[in-house]
Amino acid sequence: DAGVIQSPRHEVTEMGQEVTLRCKPISGHNSLFWYRQTMMRGLELLIYFNNNVPIDDSGMPEDRFSAKMPNASFSTLKIQPSEPRDSAVYFCASRSTDTQYFGPGTRLTVL
Amino acid sequence: GENVEQHPSTLSVQEGDSAVIKCTYSDSASNYFPWYKQELGKGPQLIIDIRSNVGEKKDQRIAVTLNKTAKHFSLHITETQPEDSAVYFCAASRGDGGSQGNLIFGKGTKLSVKP
Repeated sequence: DAGVIQSPRHEVTEMGQEVTLRCKPISGHNSLFWYRQTMMRGLELLIYFNNNVPIDDSGMPEDRFSAKMPNASFSTLKIQPSEPRDSAVYFCASRSTDTQYFGPGTRLTVL
Repeated sequence: GENVEQHPSTLSVQEGDSAVIKCTYSDSASNYFPWYKQELGKGPQLIIDIRSNVGEKKDQRIAVTLNKTAKHFSLHITETQPEDSAVYFCAASRGDGGSQGNLIFGKGTKLSVKP
């Protein structure tokens, strides 16, 4: 298995632009997580899906953030409009039973 | 809810020495405790995990111990090598596969192994 796949690996954009991050979970995993990692706040859970349904989005910082999972093999995290404080590394993870497996992350820089 | 504290935040050891990272948790219902290693520019990778029905687990040079009474668990790395240098995260969950099974992470420990 290729593991969790994320794209793009790096994204540089200007304030106000829309950003879309993509994730393909490990086949057969029924839970998917989006995390944000910064030096100041560490790893923060943004949203969690189970069987493609959003279960807990209490970590989504603002209405500018939205996430979708249209099918079991694809999820997106969208930021619109983006702001400099959104600069971080965004990780997607998928889970089988207890164990979460992380993707390589997308490093987002908002200028 | 669950809270996980991790110490130390940074750790520097000489190659060949042992390294120990400690975590405490608050939710007595937590029963699954994984450890992740994150190298620069990469995502966290699971290196070892332990469930509450055992007190210790080993995998070559790494071991994890769990004390459920005291609600703490530790990662032990023996015969450290430069490639062990990374940030290590502990986590805890109720391990039920539902939302209560979401991982709560510690803040991480930056381990540096000096040749």
